[in-house]
Amino acid sequence: KNQVEQSPQSLIILEGKNCTLQCNYTVSPFSNLRWYKQDTGRGPVSLTIMTFSENTKSNGRYTATLDADTKQSSLHITASQLSDSASYICVVNSGYSTLTFGKGTMLLVSP
Amino acid sequence: EAGVAQSPRYKIIEKRQSVAFWCNPISGHATLYWYQQILGQGPKLLIQFQNNGVVDDSQLPKDRFSAERLKGVDSTLKIQPAKLEDSAVYLCASSSLQGTGNTIYFGEGSWLTVV
Repeated sequence: KNQVEQSPQSLIILEGKNCTLQCNYTVSPFSNLRWYKQDTGRGPVSLTIMTFSENTKSNGRYTATLDADTKQSSLHITASQLSDSASYICVVNSGYSTLTFGKGTMLLVSP
Repeated sequence: EAGVAQSPRYKIIEKRQSVAFWCNPISGHATLYWYQQILGQGPKLLIQFQNNGVVDDSQLPKDRFSAERLKGVDSTLKIQPAKLEDSAVYLCASSSLQGTGNTIYFGEGSWLTVV
């Protein structure tokens, strides 16, 4: 069964600090992995998409890594801002747009 | 570029009543998805359309849920009769090509509360 596990479930950090969110998956076959940011009451918005051959991809203060051998991905947020408070969802595509979603990590950035 | 449009944004109904949600995908996007997201969980796929054909509806509770995309553009999702456990956000999403790395764009969601 395809599964995506995210950790931690929730996280509180001080504004300006860095943090790293983890995503482990058991999805086969593997096409790509995406990180989405979902603000409360809003739909998910894509942050990054990574294919099998990509190890690192950055989008501003967000940096995603992918280790296809260990089936792990991380999302690193640098110099956090209050607006980073949201749920971060890891999504793995096994082809033909068959997506497996993680439950998300709820991040709260505190002033 | 306009995003994925959904309506209504919020709906409160009593159990056993019916409700319908509407979605207009990004112009030109052939693939349309309906997801159910229960509070604290990731979205769960209900149905996926490619143009006006159904690609995957394996997790759609067909005894009470139905969806259509008659002209291959906008879509409606109906629940009849609603149960308490249907309380969730119903997300519509679209993408331009199936089975590629193209980004899937989500709408803001329709929040359903069944009382």
